[in-house]
Amino acid sequence: GAGVSQSPSNKVTEKGKDVELRCDPISGHTALYWYRQSLGQGLEFLIYFQGNSAPDKSGLPSDRFSAERTGGSVSTLTIQRTQQEDSAVYLCASSLAATAGNTIYFGEGSWLTVV
Amino acid sequence: KQEVTQIPAALSVPEGENLVLNCSFTDSAIYNLQWFRQDPGKGLTSLLLIQSSQREQTSGRLNASLDKSSGRSTLYIAASQPGDSATYLCACQAGTALIFGKGTTLSVSS
Repeated sequence: GAGVSQSPSNKVTEKGKDVELRCDPISGHTALYWYRQSLGQGLEFLIYFQGNSAPDKSGLPSDRFSAERTGGSVSTLTIQRTQQEDSAVYLCASSLAATAGNTIYFGEGSWLTVV
Repeated sequence: KQEVTQIPAALSVPEGENLVLNCSFTDSAIYNLQWFRQDPGKGLTSLLLIQSSQREQTSGRLNASLDKSSGRSTLYIAASQPGDSATYLCACQAGTALIFGKGTTLSVSS
């Protein structure tokens, strides 16, 4: 597609359930990022992929959070045993590479509400 | 650890005014600085990217400057319009991740 595509756009889940959020980056982009934006807060880095490997997982807030990327394309962010504090917008971004001069493009986000 | 600060947090101006949004960062060892726009309930739209070797970039009514030595960037918006109302975010990239400021929320009244 023309841009970064994320699904679902909105998700309401019960506390304790697992959720999966999907990101389809721009074709040909090797670098993929996940960020979280809570209400009234700034963007919080979660994880970075280069191809299928994740050299930087430093932002994942707990072991309930995991992410994978297959075929150097689609990525899935999984949150296990969701808590109310996980409610946020989860934003995915991609770029040709994580080097100078490469613009990072964001998707519209997946709005997660844990009730 | 890189910290990015944006001042002011909010700004209201009448249509037609020229304005400057400020961004400062603590670690000058960056290779990209990117300005984004975020509309309510939407994702981020990239406005301008400045590489560390560059001093400024221009796109239409927007001009972004970068002074690495002082740890500052500015986004200049000329002849503001109501459609410019949004939150403007700056972000620095030194390693793999972009580090964001909390943004400046701009309101342009007609």
